[in-house]
Amino acid sequence: EDKVVQSPLSLVVHEGDTVTLNCSYEVTNFRSLLWYKQEKKAPTFLFMLTSSGIEKKSGRLSSILDKKELSSILNITATQTGDSAIYLCAVVGGYQKVTFGTGTKLQVIP
Amino acid sequence: EAQVTQNPRYLITVTGKKLTVTCSQNMNHEYMSWYRQDPGLGLRQIYYSMNVEVTDKGDVPEGYKVSRKEKRNFPLILESPSPNQTSLYFCASSPPGRGDYNEQFFGPGTRLTVL
Repeated sequence: EDKVVQSPLSLVVHEGDTVTLNCSYEVTNFRSLLWYKQEKKAPTFLFMLTSSGIEKKSGRLSSILDKKELSSILNITATQTGDSAIYLCAVVGGYQKVTFGTGTKLQVIP
Repeated sequence: EAQVTQNPRYLITVTGKKLTVTCSQNMNHEYMSWYRQDPGLGLRQIYYSMNVEVTDKGDVPEGYKVSRKEKRNFPLILESPSPNQTSLYFCASSPPGRGDYNEQFFGPGTRLTVL
């Protein structure tokens, strides 16, 4: 059975801090790993990482895939209150079956 | 505007009364999927479809049915809803799974309560 584990479950930081969120997976026939941000609505896409694209960056957010360790990290630098959300990691396996982790809840306080 | 739509957005029903949640996308995506989201359990895939007339079970298919007669629509059917199907449901679609094209676009969600 495919499995995705995220850590920590929740995190409280002060504005300006840097955070690192972790995602580890056990998936048959790995195709890609995706990061999403979920506020009080539907998840919104952040990054997709594959064997051919193991590092992505957009502004203060960046993500790296470690295929050897079967894991990924999502870094957020200079956090802002608007970064408060649940961050979801999902892995696409064989036949495009998608498995999500339970998410990391990030709260950024002023 | 490219989007995934779901209806209804909110639904309160009673045990055993058949219901359908519709999902439609206007991006010509081949892949569509249904998820349920529950506190502490995250998003769990119910069913997915890689193309018209092709559907597969996800992790939690029991109590649900789907159909994919047209590319744009992927309705979720609960033949006999039970209280343990009370949840937040999301429909999602994505382009074909070639190379990097696995990003999923999510609908706004349907909050279902079964009494």
